[in-house]
Amino acid sequence: AQTVTQSQPEMSVQEAETVTLSCTYDTSESDYYLFWYKQPPSRQMILVIRQEAYKQQNATENRFSVNFQKAAKSFSLKISDSQLGDAAMYFCAYRSAYLGTYKYIFGTGTRLKVLA
Amino acid sequence: DGGITQSPKYLFRKEGQNVTLSCEQNLNHDAMYWYRQDPGQGLRLIYYSQIVNDFQKGDIAEGYSVSREKKESFPLTVTSAQKNPTAFYLCASSIIGFMNRGVNEQFFGPGTRLTVL
Repeated sequence: AQTVTQSQPEMSVQEAETVTLSCTYDTSESDYYLFWYKQPPSRQMILVIRQEAYKQQNATENRFSVNFQKAAKSFSLKISDSQLGDAAMYFCAYRSAYLGTYKYIFGTGTRLKVLA
Repeated sequence: DGGITQSPKYLFRKEGQNVTLSCEQNLNHDAMYWYRQDPGQGLRLIYYSQIVNDFQKGDIAEGYSVSREKKESFPLTVTSAQKNPTAFYLCASSIIGFMNRGVNEQFFGPGTRLTVL
């Protein structure tokens, strides 16, 4: 069975600085998707970024980028130029790409605090 | 606009009562999911469904029941057998299969906060 581990329960970053959130996963599959979701105080889950395992290029979305290391089974999220609005819980998630599989495996989350 | 709606936003239940949480989506997604989230915790899967009239238990299904009579709807009933139902409940949907590269994430509703009085 697949697992997703977020080893940092809480992180802090100074406004305008850069922070990296860690995520590791365990799977025997070769084709899968990885995601980072943000959950602000409103509790609405928002997709931040997605990565497809067959793509070697790291995904980027404006100030958000990932470092996808397939061999190491690592999927970290880098937030550049941190803003107060980035304060939230961040969840890493895994989904198999194989037909008929549609469960998502979530990590336990990292709470990010942004200091003014 | 396409999306997922959940109602009500807040729900209060007396002990011994069953309550039903609504979840509707107009994204034409086949798969739907229910998660429970306790304060400061991650998401725990309650039930999920791939197709109408079919659903599977997740990790914490005891005390909950679901139905999937329509593709768009996946209501969750919290029964009196659920001993500690106070939590935040999230409904989600997604496509299934592997052909649709690039659009394969889960979409979430705004959630329902259930409190037992």
